[in-house]
Amino acid sequence: NAGVTQTPKFRILKIGQSMTLQCTQDMNHNYMYWYRQDPGMGLKLIYYSVGAGITDKGEVPNGYNVSRSTTEDFPLRLELAAPSQTSVYFCASSRAGGLGYNYGYTFGSGTRLTVV
Amino acid sequence: QQQVKQSPQSLIVQKGGISIINCAYENTAFDYFPWYQQFPGKGPALLIAIRPDVSEKKEGRFTISFNKSAKQFSLHIMDSQPGDSATYFCAATPALIGGGADGLTFGKGTHLIIQP
Repeated sequence: NAGVTQTPKFRILKIGQSMTLQCTQDMNHNYMYWYRQDPGMGLKLIYYSVGAGITDKGEVPNGYNVSRSTTEDFPLRLELAAPSQTSVYFCASSRAGGLGYNYGYTFGSGTRLTVV
Repeated sequence: QQQVKQSPQSLIVQKGGISIINCAYENTAFDYFPWYQQFPGKGPALLIAIRPDVSEKKEGRFTISFNKSAKQFSLHIMDSQPGDSATYFCAATPALIGGGADGLTFGKGTHLIIQP
């Protein structure tokens, strides 16, 4: 059982370039999330999705786009990369249950992105 | 803006001692409070979680204490071991009435070092 798989693990981009961070989960979780982690700042929510075809903005969505065409996949697109997007990006998934509580997130191992 | 304030930023504890990490929140709609453990180069992993209908939850050496009136919760690691050295994040999220997902709001993290 792979859980949440992120690719690539590392990437260096030049300013203005674009790229897609891939995320796939095999747990049939409805909810998926993208977070960025900066040193000493915790994790901040970029976008989330409650199911295929449904996405919504989190706390820091500017400069990013997402899509959710299947339950398994939730790619994050960076358009016109900027140095401020240098960060470690984590994808996560969870299931909802009962009154709608998330029963814990499963995180991928992260993508370390440097924009130069 | 919803916030979760975590302290201390870093903590050094002797092997066998008790590690204590504290968090405080402002949003009274929060009602799920997980703790995540993150090792270098890895994604965060759910350690233990609590809901506000109980004041304490214990799993092995890890205990969450919750004070709803003070809007504070803390993680206690008993008999701390060098293998517990990691970054710990507290988090919170509101109840998901209707099945929506807001994502977790994370504290900024505590870098814990257990000295042998």
